Formats: sequence, C-alpha cells, structure tokens
Amino acid sequence: AQKITQTQPGMFVQEKEAVTLDCTYDTSDPSYGLFWYKQPSSGEMIFLIYQGSYDQQNATEGRYSLNFQKARKSANLVISASQLGDSAMYFCAMRAPMNRDDKIIFGKGTRLHILP
Amino acid sequence: EPEVTQTPSHQVTQMGQEVILRCVPISNHLYFYWYRQILGQKVEFLVSFYNNEISEKSEIFDDQFSVERPDGSNFTLKIRSTKLEDSAMYFCASTPGGPQHFGDGTRLSIL
Repeated sequence: AQKITQTQPGMFVQEKEAVTLDCTYDTSDPSYGLFWYKQPSSGEMIFLIYQGSYDQQNATEGRYSLNFQKARKSANLVISASQLGDSAMYFCAMRAPMNRDDKIIFGKGTRLHILP
Repeated sequence: EPEVTQTPSHQVTQMGQEVILRCVPISNHLYFYWYRQILGQKVEFLVSFYNNEISEKSEIFDDQFSVERPDGSNFTLKIRSTKLEDSAMYFCASTPGGPQHFGDGTRLSIL
C-alpha cells in the first residue's frame, strides 16, 4: 500500500534559519513522483517542488530543496534562510506509478511557524 | 502564469440541498481531479477525470457525487443531497502530466 508519513505535526523555527521538514514514503512501484505543497492560512495549495524516483540529482527550486534518499524512502524538504512568509502548513505527497496521471496521496502535514 | 480557477470561494448550503462546485482547469491540461480537505485534516482524493470520463474514484466518491465537463473549459463537482459531513474545502487540480496544479479551493459549509 502507498503511504506518506510526516512525523512532525508542528515546528517552530527562528527567522533566517534553515528548516528541514521530514517525509517518508512507502510504495512498491519503482516509478513514482514526490511533491511538496504549501498551504498558507488562506487555504490555497501551492506547488513547491517535485522529485522523480529516477532523478539522479536532488530537486531544487529557489530556497527549496528536496533531500531525496531513495534507500531510506525519505524525501525531506529543506527551506534555506526561512522568512516569516514561510509560516504555513506543508504537505508531502506522492503519485505512484508515475506514468499514470492518477491521484496524489498526501501526508498529514507539518505546520511550520517562523518566529521573528 | 495560468491558474486553476474555482468558484465560488465559499458556499453555504442547507443540508439535503444540491450543490455544484465549479472549476476552470488550465487550458492545455488533460487530467482533472477533485480533492477535499476536512478542517484540520489531510487532503483526500475524490476523483480523477480524463478523456471525458472518470479514471479513478475513491470510496468517498459515492452515488451522491458526480463530475462533469460540460464544455471545453469547465469541470464541475455536484453533490446531490448534501450532508453535514460534506463540509470541507474542495480543491480542483489539473495537470498536463507531472505535478498537479491546484485551485484556491471552495470552502463548503453545510448547515
């Protein structure tokens, strides 16, 4: 069965520090995609970053990077130089197999609080 | 940058009434989805739609739910007889293949 686990329900981080949000996943499909979404208090879902299971390098998008450790089935999101506007709920998500455009399954999320 | 557009942003409906949630996916996208998020909980898949038919649906998506693409741009979710437990944020998403792009959601409140 496919599963996404986010073990940190909430985190408090000082502004300008780097933060790592944990995500582990489980799937038997060799081809899968991993995603991170940000949900501010206003409720919308904002796509942040994507990692394919066959990608050789870790994905990066501006201040976001994905620390992909395939053997450990982890896909942690790293936010460098955190800002007050990064305070939000963050969801790790997966689609497997990747060659079908089927549903994404989400983790329960981590609520990130950036402190001034 | 093109966006997925959802209307209305907030819908308040009496229990037992029908409700239609509307979405305009990004124009060159081929795959469409509905998800819901009960307050404080994780996002749950409802249904995926491709080539004018449902490609997958979850156990949540029972006979009270239906989806339609009535023209070339709109994608709707209908709940026939709403229940209190249908209160949630409903997200539409679309993709050409790859990451799904979500709309801002419709908050549905059932009274």
